[in-house]
Amino acid sequence: DAKTTQPPSMDCAEGRAANLPCNHSTISGNEYVYWYRQIHSQGPQYIIHGLKNNETNEMASLIITEDRKSSTLILPHATLRDTAVYYCIVRAPPDKLIFGTGTRLQVFP
Amino acid sequence: IAGITQAPTSQILAAGRRMTLRCTQDMRHNAMYWYRQDLGLGLRLIHYSNTAGTTGKGEVPDGYSVSRANTDDFPLTLASAVPSQTSVYFCASSPVGTGRTGELFFGEGSRLTVL
Repeated sequence: DAKTTQPPSMDCAEGRAANLPCNHSTISGNEYVYWYRQIHSQGPQYIIHGLKNNETNEMASLIITEDRKSSTLILPHATLRDTAVYYCIVRAPPDKLIFGTGTRLQVFP
Repeated sequence: IAGITQAPTSQILAAGRRMTLRCTQDMRHNAMYWYRQDLGLGLRLIHYSNTAGTTGKGEVPDGYSVSRANTDDFPLTLASAVPSQTSVYFCASSPVGTGRTGELFFGEGSRLTVL
């Protein structure tokens, strides 16, 4: 699986958009970009995934650059409950999902 | 509610003892996984199974074994526990197949302390 690079931590004011970047410069053509988050010590939660088109669901938006070497997860209106570790992972199903260390997002009032 | 059930949620174990962590899913997912997470670190894959009857090694398989006798159950066994296996263990499942892009669904974890 291609490796990803994420900043170790970020802050965001409540109500503002949180933009979490991820670099995956060695991504292969058949690999998807997945985002998960882990709130405190709970099990990781799936957020969104995409291949090359931008994607949006009720939780977030995923913007993938045209060359697919990087992506950004956008939480449009961050709340305190969005404080978590966010993991960006690239993977070609059904390959194994390998987690990195993620970005710790702190949403403050 | 459909999902993944892990048991026990927490366990303290003496070193050298045998321990089996249980994982059951009722979503009929093909693939199942076991991860461990140590304090301050990301998740590391221990073992996985793409379908009933098959298993494979992940990043950190040593000291652990798994079996996949049926679709729903994927137990993780520590034959002789050591303190370095103190961790939080997460089980996950995933629908895999044609047209499926295989997002993972996780259980709530089993906290194991080996003394």
